[in-house]
Amino acid sequence: QSVLTQPPSASGTPGQRVTISCSGSSSNIGSNYVYWYQQLPGTAPKVLIYRNNQRPSGVPDRFSGSKSGTSASLAISGLRSDDEADYYCAAWDDSLSGLWVFGGGTKLTVL
Amino acid sequence: QVQLHESGPGLVRPSETLSLTCTVSGGSISSDYWSWIRQPPGKGLEWIGYIYYSGSTNYNPSLRSRITISVDMSKNQISLKLSSVTAADTATYYCASGGGTSFNWFDPWGQGILVTVSS
Repeated sequence: QSVLTQPPSASGTPGQRVTISCSGSSSNIGSNYVYWYQQLPGTAPKVLIYRNNQRPSGVPDRFSGSKSGTSASLAISGLRSDDEADYYCAAWDDSLSGLWVFGGGTKLTVL
Repeated sequence: QVQLHESGPGLVRPSETLSLTCTVSGGSISSDYWSWIRQPPGKGLEWIGYIYYSGSTNYNPSLRSRITISVDMSKNQISLKLSSVTAADTATYYCASGGGTSFNWFDPWGQGILVTVSS
């Protein structure tokens, strides 16, 4: 059971816009930044969005992140076949001595 | 550009200690945080812990009693030891740069190493 809650799956057709949600609590998303990682099949995760809504250089502006209260979302517009991957949200959690928590991951299928 | 490479045995027997090394190339391990993250087959990501180059650490409470993370500045390496392993510790283990604060994300990651716990 992951601390952050994501839908296990999402899908869309090429060109569509899809969103992936991530729900947490006041000790993690509610008080800290949210990060999104993309994991292409058979590869290590890579950061897609940092500090809620910032894109590293090289990440297309088709990807965008937002946060409100204890929830966050990743939006992908102009869906492409090579966006098919697992997407994970992550945040620092202030409980105990602090730790990183992840969502369970959302498998995005491009139909 | 910093690159990370995990190495170690791919098979560990139950109750023994898992030992992995992460070698950093293209940069120095000094002045940054270094994390270990694992992913059981077909499942999600779990943060294991981080170490600062100075040696200070923070571990996942669920694993704290079994984990040791250390640095070897002379070899530009970070090490992970996980004791008393069980089948539940079977996972791909990643090392990553960062993760030391809520402002400090994981980037880059190593390619990962699959460790199977089995007799």
